[in-house]
Amino acid sequence: QVQLVQSGAEVKKPGASVKVSCKASGYTFPNYAIHWVRQAPGQRLEWMGWINVGNGRTKYSQKFQGRVTITRDTSASTASMELGSLRSEDTAVYYCARVTEISDYALDVWGQGTTVTVSS
Amino acid sequence: NFMLTQPHSVSESPGKTVTISCTRSSGIIGLDYVQWYQQRPGSAPTTVIYEFNQRPSGVPDRFSGSIDSSSNSASLTISGLKTEDEADYYCQSYDSSDLWVFGGGTTLTVL
Repeated sequence: QVQLVQSGAEVKKPGASVKVSCKASGYTFPNYAIHWVRQAPGQRLEWMGWINVGNGRTKYSQKFQGRVTITRDTSASTASMELGSLRSEDTAVYYCARVTEISDYALDVWGQGTTVTVSS
Repeated sequence: NFMLTQPHSVSESPGKTVTISCTRSSGIIGLDYVQWYQQRPGSAPTTVIYEFNQRPSGVPDRFSGSIDSSSNSASLTISGLKTEDEADYYCQSYDSSDLWVFGGGTTLTVL
């Protein structure tokens, strides 16, 4: 079945970087864009950026521009999101999600989420 | 960039109809598709409406989407409310630079 499996929880110190991976299975990986969305505890969904898996083109939210990098490894069917210069406000669940088969503007397959805790 | 503004919370009784609004701060609401997601506690979101008013397979027709150009807003309407509809609902859209935005989310209580 179509699924996205993310890497495990991380605990980082302020100023460090974190890299979260997202392994796809059950579909043709290059054919669907992957987005990254985060959610701080009790807070709203926050869009971070996306990657065109076919050509590697990326777009980032202005809020994270310069701190976030999204990449993909088509040979491993894996997308990754790296966030640098971490601060306590970056403590959140980070999700990868795939666009739907019928619309590039909605997300239908989500990873299970990766909890990133930033604490000294 | 633009913002999508939603009411913080709404509540209604089972069997009734509720509408959640999503107002775009800049740019024309009708030019860029709006999607709606349902998120239950502890779970990832699921799409209930995409491209303004399209329902994914498996989403009951109690869920519908629309836009109102006069208020530059989109709306999610849920009729025949059930207790299982209790969740957070988020609207989402994008701009001409392919930058996406989520609304602030609305907590629906069915009481």
